[in-house]
Amino acid sequence: DIQMTQSPSSLSASVGDRVTITCRTSQTISNYLNWYQQKPGKAPKLLIYAAFNLQGGVPSRFSGGGSGTAFTLTISSLQPEDSGTYYCQHSYNPPHTFGQGTRIEIK
Amino acid sequence: EVQLEQSGAQVKKPGESLKISCKTSGYSFTSSWIAWVRQMPGGGLEWMGMIFPGDSNIIFSPSFQGQVTMSADRSLTTAYLQWDSLKASDSAIYFCARQATRGDLDFWGQGTLVTVSS
Repeated sequence: DIQMTQSPSSLSASVGDRVTITCRTSQTISNYLNWYQQKPGKAPKLLIYAAFNLQGGVPSRFSGGGSGTAFTLTISSLQPEDSGTYYCQHSYNPPHTFGQGTRIEIK
Repeated sequence: EVQLEQSGAQVKKPGESLKISCKTSGYSFTSSWIAWVRQMPGGGLEWMGMIFPGDSNIIFSPSFQGQVTMSADRSLTTAYLQWDSLKASDSAIYFCARQATRGDLDFWGQGTLVTVSS
């Protein structure tokens, strides 16, 4: 099975800051990497698919990058509504494991 | 509009059986995989497995193989997750989600809270 290592596990940043989350995989997965946002008590929401493709309706301040075994999710200018937990997930081959999550707090 | 509507919260005792549902609409049910994801209290997301309603092909995560059953009713466009004998450690929120052809989970149900307690 492919192992996912997501970092940091949590961060606190101010409105307007640029924030980057990293996800590393134990083997190469091409660009089969997805990012989700989850708010408390809600279902996860797809943000980025196939490493860098923005899901419809997602603000353009979110962007994804990377390939192979190292990937990033960047929020270019953090907004108050961006608080929550962010997960990466690979869809290269089953099981489609999730990362451990990154909790973002707004200062 | 694609929608996945899950059944309501359940409270069960250890050893009891349970079947929860995920009613879909707005797309071709037999053309997309449905994945199940577990979230234990205060925990992260765990991919349990997926079912392809078109031919009932099922792929489990090794962690969940033999622990749950997945099924689908094409006439009702509904997917199911079932336990024969619940344990306290099965207490969690369970999400169903549609898997896009790209492999990502693009539409999600609202989640079903399962509480197992004596």
